[in-house]
Amino acid sequence: GENVEQHPSTLSVQEGDSAVIKCTYSDSASNYFPWYKQELGKGPQLIIDIRSNVGEKKDQRIAVTLNKTAKHFSLHITETQPEDSAVYFCAARGLASGTYKYIFGTGTRLKVLA
Amino acid sequence: NAGVTQTPKFQVLKTGQSMTLQCAQDMNHEYMSWYRQDPGMGLRLIHYSVGAGITDQGEVPNGYNVSRSTTEDFPLRLLSAAPSQTSVYFCASSTLGSGRDRNNEQFFGPGTRLTVL
Repeated sequence: GENVEQHPSTLSVQEGDSAVIKCTYSDSASNYFPWYKQELGKGPQLIIDIRSNVGEKKDQRIAVTLNKTAKHFSLHITETQPEDSAVYFCAARGLASGTYKYIFGTGTRLKVLA
Repeated sequence: NAGVTQTPKFQVLKTGQSMTLQCAQDMNHEYMSWYRQDPGMGLRLIHYSVGAGITDQGEVPNGYNVSRSTTEDFPLRLLSAAPSQTSVYFCASSTLGSGRDRNNEQFFGPGTRLTVL
């Protein structure tokens, strides 16, 4: 079945450094890849997303890259700040196949050390 | 817009009791779904719906029922609660997103924290 693997499960970085989280998906029909940030006690919130017809997308300090051939996509956070500390989830959605389900990775707990 | 609302926020049940978790959205989204999130774990899909009258199972559907009689509401029913169903439950909604430029953002509710004793 469809699967999304996410690594690492935990990540600690010094404030100001960059953080990279990687995901691999199995369903080649997936064509929409969102990233969510979940703060303690809250529901996940979309922070950036990318469609399969685009290789990279940036929004200020965050960026997402997609390698369709390798079925990899990654989240890059530059100049990390303490408020970036949270759990991050990647997901894949197969719009082209008409299944519409979001398949989530298992999450990465990011700690930004002051 | 209120977005996605869930009630109740907290619930304690005894084993064998039944209850319904409510979810509503006011964004006219076709797609709605229920996830459970256990401590230290990711989001697991329970059931989802692509429109009124259409529901389908996710990866962990056992012990749960859903129905979608209107676009706005997507209740989740626990038939006979078990301690293994202790979890945080999130409802979410989005468009079907099949158009080239359609917004695919999935909006999550604040969650229901359920404890089954």
